[in-house]
Amino acid sequence: DAGVIQSPRHEVTEMGQEVTLRCKPISGHNSLFWYRQTMMRGLELLIYFNNNVPIDDSGMPEDRFSAKMPNASFSTLKIQPSEPRDSAVYFCASSLGQGYGQPQHFGDGTRLSIL
Amino acid sequence: DAKTTQPPSMDCAEGRAANLPCNHSTISGNEYVYWYRQIHSQGPQYIIHGLKNNETNEMASLIITEDRKSSTLILPHATLRDTAVYYCIVRNRNQGGKLIFGQGTELSVKP
Repeated sequence: DAGVIQSPRHEVTEMGQEVTLRCKPISGHNSLFWYRQTMMRGLELLIYFNNNVPIDDSGMPEDRFSAKMPNASFSTLKIQPSEPRDSAVYFCASSLGQGYGQPQHFGDGTRLSIL
Repeated sequence: DAKTTQPPSMDCAEGRAANLPCNHSTISGNEYVYWYRQIHSQGPQYIIHGLKNNETNEMASLIITEDRKSSTLILPHATLRDTAVYYCIVRNRNQGGKLIFGQGTELSVKP
């Protein structure tokens, strides 16, 4: 079975550029999560959606970050303008429902480097 | 929210059982215990979760003490590919969808 698919796997861009990360959740899953991992802060939740609706975006660092889920099979995380401190690995995860008894399944991440 | 305490690192011989402990002494009755692992350069991988009873699946077993204040993840026959960081997470309904990852245990399986 196909897992969570993220693209690109690696992105290197210059400061000030717009960056768009993409995620395709597991088919049939109706909750989608965006996480960020850095050495300093570990893994932290940025935002999550249930049935394509954003539920909790309290982890989004600032207005430069935005996330959308136009349909059940696609989500984007956009950074505009990007800054060097945004360099991290960004993970997308999906689950069958947002309940705390439902495991989340992660993609392999996008490694983002802002120069 | 209940916090978890795990040893920062452990070693295990290949072929032997790996027993990874987790302390969650402030857990409340409706909180699940989840285990994930992260192999280098990959996303976190779900292993197993439980509420009160011991659980077993094709990857591992989860033993939760009767008072629920601690648990142990058991990999019955560790292989080199089980080398990873293992995260024990306590999750309750108030967190909604959020998984809060701590520092985890870095397990090294050695030949």
